[in-house]
Amino acid sequence: AQSVTQPDIHITVSEGASLELRCNYSYGATPYLFWYVQSPGQGLQLLLKYFSGDTLVQGIKGFEAEFKRSQSSFNLRKPSVHWSDAAEYFCAVGAVGKTSYDKVIFGPGTSLSVIP
Amino acid sequence: DGGITQSPKYLFRKEGQNVTLSCEQNLNHDAMYWYRQDPGQGLRLIYYSQIVNDFQKGDIAEGYSVSREKKESFPLTVTSAQKNPTAFYLCASSPRGSPLDEQFFGPGTRLTVL
Repeated sequence: AQSVTQPDIHITVSEGASLELRCNYSYGATPYLFWYVQSPGQGLQLLLKYFSGDTLVQGIKGFEAEFKRSQSSFNLRKPSVHWSDAAEYFCAVGAVGKTSYDKVIFGPGTSLSVIP
Repeated sequence: DGGITQSPKYLFRKEGQNVTLSCEQNLNHDAMYWYRQDPGQGLRLIYYSQIVNDFQKGDIAEGYSVSREKKESFPLTVTSAQKNPTAFYLCASSPRGSPLDEQFFGPGTRLTVL
């Protein structure tokens, strides 16, 4: 079964600074990997997704993530953070169901605060 | 605009009462999902439906029930058997029958049991 951890519960960065949110997964084969963002009191929105191909994935809002198989990681990055990026970020890992349905497991989330 | 609507935004319930949360989508998506979100735990799958008139239990289905009589609607009933129902509930949909597609989320319903 797959699992996902996000080591940082909360991160604070200054506006204009770079950002990296960590995600580690556990799964035997190549997983589907996702980053979703949730603004306060709202639903989630997909930032980017990886399954195969180039290990550096570009997403919306200037975000990118890099899949590193050797480290079982899929860290999210942004070169310059804007105040509007303050939100909760969820990493998720998915797998094709062998005997049951396809499954996506969400991490616990990292809360991002941006200070002026 | 296409999207997912959930109602109500806030819901209060007395212990022992059943309550139904509404979820409607006009995206023509095949699959719909219900998640429960608790602080520090991420999202946990309650039920999902790949097609009309079919649904499957997720990881935490006990105390919940669903129906999928129409493609666009997937209501969730929180029954009195759910021991700790206070949470934020999110409905989602995906174009085909798999969550490995992009999932589109509604704005959520916050349920509080008094």
